[in-house]
Amino acid sequence: GAVVSQHPSRVICKSGTSVKIECRSLDFQATTMFWYRQFPKQSLMLMATSNEGSKATYEQGVEKDKFLINHASLTLSTLTVTSAHPEDSSFYICSASRDRVYEQYFGPGTRLTVT
Amino acid sequence: QKEVEQNSGPLSVPEGAIASLNCTYSDRGSQSFFWYRQYSGKSPELIMSIYSNGDKEDGRFTAQLNKASQYVSLLIRDSQPSDSATYLCAAYSGNTGKLIFGQGTTLQVKP
Repeated sequence: GAVVSQHPSRVICKSGTSVKIECRSLDFQATTMFWYRQFPKQSLMLMATSNEGSKATYEQGVEKDKFLINHASLTLSTLTVTSAHPEDSSFYICSASRDRVYEQYFGPGTRLTVT
Repeated sequence: QKEVEQNSGPLSVPEGAIASLNCTYSDRGSQSFFWYRQYSGKSPELIMSIYSNGDKEDGRFTAQLNKASQYVSLLIRDSQPSDSATYLCAAYSGNTGKLIFGQGTTLQVKP
């Protein structure tokens, strides 16, 4: 159990467009979902934490108007990168937790390239 | 000072040897510790969790925790080339409610 999927796995978009990334917990209900970003040869940086039906909590330095997070159900969270720029190119990874927030199950990640 | 620190490596060991990966953390409020394995271009995969001082063994992996020294380690016995990956140490603090990752140690197991 505890499988998390992400879609798409890879996306290339033009600068100024918006991209939506979906994160789904397939076999459990996720009380909390997390969005991370990872630049090459760097560690995972938490962008935001979201609970179903609530507004996401963003980390310092992460623009909430640029990275829109919607946690519509206990199995789905979406991250929309609005007006993407080349510096937003990164590996975006979601994770989900059940009852213990520190036990996070990671999705396979989405490689975003903005040209 | 980074909250979770790891030597970036690469750590190179011959096949069959023991690989020893180390991690220190700064937040004394950290309660739970995790080791993730990340292959190039893939997302992290949880391989070990440890919550109390001492050793925890799971197959070829042993995690060690010393809260007094704020130190966590991972030993991989009988290392295989398939163990070649980046190993991320993570600490969870109940104070912040966040899982903080180290930068990772790259392990190379040479056949």
